[in-house]
Amino acid sequence: EVQLVESGGGLVQPGGSLRLSCAASGFTVSSNYMSWVRQAPGKGLEWVSVIYSGGSTYYADSVKGRFTISRDNSKNTLYLQMNSLRAEDTAVYYCARPMVRGVFHHYYMDVWGKGTTVTVSS
Amino acid sequence: AIQLTQSPSSLSASVGDRVTITCRASQGISSALAWYQQKPGKAPKLLIYDASSLESGVPSRFSGSGSGTDFTLTISSLQPEDFATYYCQQFNSYPHTYTFGQGTKLEIK
Repeated sequence: EVQLVESGGGLVQPGGSLRLSCAASGFTVSSNYMSWVRQAPGKGLEWVSVIYSGGSTYYADSVKGRFTISRDNSKNTLYLQMNSLRAEDTAVYYCARPMVRGVFHHYYMDVWGKGTTVTVSS
Repeated sequence: AIQLTQSPSSLSASVGDRVTITCRASQGISSALAWYQQKPGKAPKLLIYDASSLESGVPSRFSGSGSGTDFTLTISSLQPEDFATYYCQQFNSYPHTYTFGQGTKLEIK
């Protein structure tokens, strides 16, 4: 069964750091695109970052320079290192797999984890 | 950056109703648009991709249409399990971004 399980969330003070993990099963992380999406309390979905199978990484402007996406192929796990955290980073963070669909080969998120909650507060 | 605007932001409807949600892109995105359903406390679920293609396992009462800048999600006959929040999302290969609309909350009337 294809599955994603996030962990590592918690309470952190402004300016602090946290590393989220996303353990995958049923498929190989390194052979796929992998992404992080977050959702602030009572708000909509916000794409955060993506890592491509070739290793290229991209970030939303709101986290560029502060967050780093990476993966450990031996552990089949995706990570999100979050530094210089702000109150506005408070959210549920989802790990998701963008998968190619259709004749135009666009990428859409077909598998999602249940999320891990990050709270940035003093 | 491309922006997606959904309308309405919220909608009340009854079981059996036909419902349409609209998503407008700030510039043309061809057919690179998806629709997701999210229930409270749960992760989003992919319903429609490439604007009109139904994801495997999704009931046929869900359909999508549109291209360019204007897109719609239609639920032909609402079922109790369809009351949720719906998001559109576009994939842009340059710059590499995945933008979501602000969401439409579908509530029971």
